[in-house]
Amino acid sequence: QQKVQQSPESLIVPEGGMASLNCTSSDRNVDYFWWYRQHSGKSPKMLMSIFSNGEKEEGRFTVHLNKASLHTSLHIRDSQPSDSALYLCAAIMDSNYQLIWGSGTKLIIKP
Amino acid sequence: EAAVTQSPRNKVAVTGGKVTLSCNQTNNHNNMYWYRQDTGHGLRLIHYSYGAGSTEKGDIPDGYKASRPSQENFSLILELATPSQTSVYFCASGDATGRGEVFFGKGTRLTVV
Repeated sequence: QQKVQQSPESLIVPEGGMASLNCTSSDRNVDYFWWYRQHSGKSPKMLMSIFSNGEKEEGRFTVHLNKASLHTSLHIRDSQPSDSALYLCAAIMDSNYQLIWGSGTKLIIKP
Repeated sequence: EAAVTQSPRNKVAVTGGKVTLSCNQTNNHNNMYWYRQDTGHGLRLIHYSYGAGSTEKGDIPDGYKASRPSQENFSLILELATPSQTSVYFCASGDATGRGEVFFGKGTRLTVV
């Protein structure tokens, strides 16, 4: 059973719209969450991280974390075609510092 | 700037042949990882290492070996390549706590024919 689950698997959002991506862990040993973005044919690159309950904003990107439910979400406002990519969520297990990856959400921004 | 370099970037191998994928990092990170990624999917962990001389099995280690001869270098070895191992392979490095950013190489596209 996958310990980090992402939803939806794919998402189409019109240009200028809001994209909302979800990530949940089924393991209470999860400590930190990371969001990585991978453009087609490229390697994953870190987008944002969140360690504490609440919200973190960087430009058009906002990440939320609810540690009680082990749920994080990534919101992209004013979506641009360049935001089209595979978004990967990763969680760190505080028991062994293992990095566990979700299977990703494929985001397509329609001009 | 953090750097992870993989070689080769592309490789065509014959079934039953031996393939070695190399990875070098200049980040002085203790942890290194080998992942494979099949088209449109997430990352699957093959092997990882906590430092020179150490290798650990990941989630899908069958058919793969790993070698970490130094802090900087981490290799993935396919002793008997099979078509099912056709994929894109990523090497990555991260700090010992696992809480720092993980940096990825540009990937190796391996085709086994």
